[in-house]
Amino acid sequence: DVKVTQSSRYLVKRTGEKVFLECVQDMDHENMFWYRQDPGLGLRLIYFSYDVKMKEKGDIPEGYSVSREKKERFSLILESASTNQTSMYLCASSPTGDDEKLFFGSGTQLSVL
Amino acid sequence: KQEVTQIPAALSVPEGENLVLNCSFTDSAIYNLQWFRQDPGKGLTSLLLIQSSQREQTSGRLNASLDKSSGRSTLYIAASQPGDSATYLCAVPPFRRHSGNTPLVFGKGTRLSVIA
Repeated sequence: DVKVTQSSRYLVKRTGEKVFLECVQDMDHENMFWYRQDPGLGLRLIYFSYDVKMKEKGDIPEGYSVSREKKERFSLILESASTNQTSMYLCASSPTGDDEKLFFGSGTQLSVL
Repeated sequence: KQEVTQIPAALSVPEGENLVLNCSFTDSAIYNLQWFRQDPGKGLTSLLLIQSSQREQTSGRLNASLDKSSGRSTLYIAASQPGDSATYLCAVPPFRRHSGNTPLVFGKGTRLSVIA
């Protein structure tokens, strides 16, 4: 089974802190994604990457950056955490192809106080 | 811009009932559609993926259909059980890319409660 592992299940940070969310997948997938999920707003794409060192902005990239130095790892960085970044963060991966499924991690519930 | 809508937002049914969840999308030029399940506070699990050339996909008590021309998909759950209680989301890729996979556009989901 494909495994997508997010480093923390719950995280509490203070406003202004730099926050790192880590995601690792073990199936050699080319594509990796970061979403955030908020009640009433659904899933919104922050950033994605289709290859090592490649990244593209999603719908809501402001206040975030990403790093993909190795194929299996995709990190989301909150440069200066703010309260409106309190959310559930979901990482996902998929192999390249028209008909391949998307696999999600268990999520990180981030609270910024 | 592709938009995905799921109605109703919430559904409650008694155990044993057959039920249908609906998904509609605005741009019919899709090449696949996925249905996901999400338990409270957890990540999403892919249930079924239908290719644009297919009309149906089945997995156990789940059957998903796709009608591209009308911009609709349905997820049929037979003989529902309390363990089926979860949020069900559908998602489509908005366009075809020359490299890598296209990030999916998600509906907001239907929250299903199956009452014992």
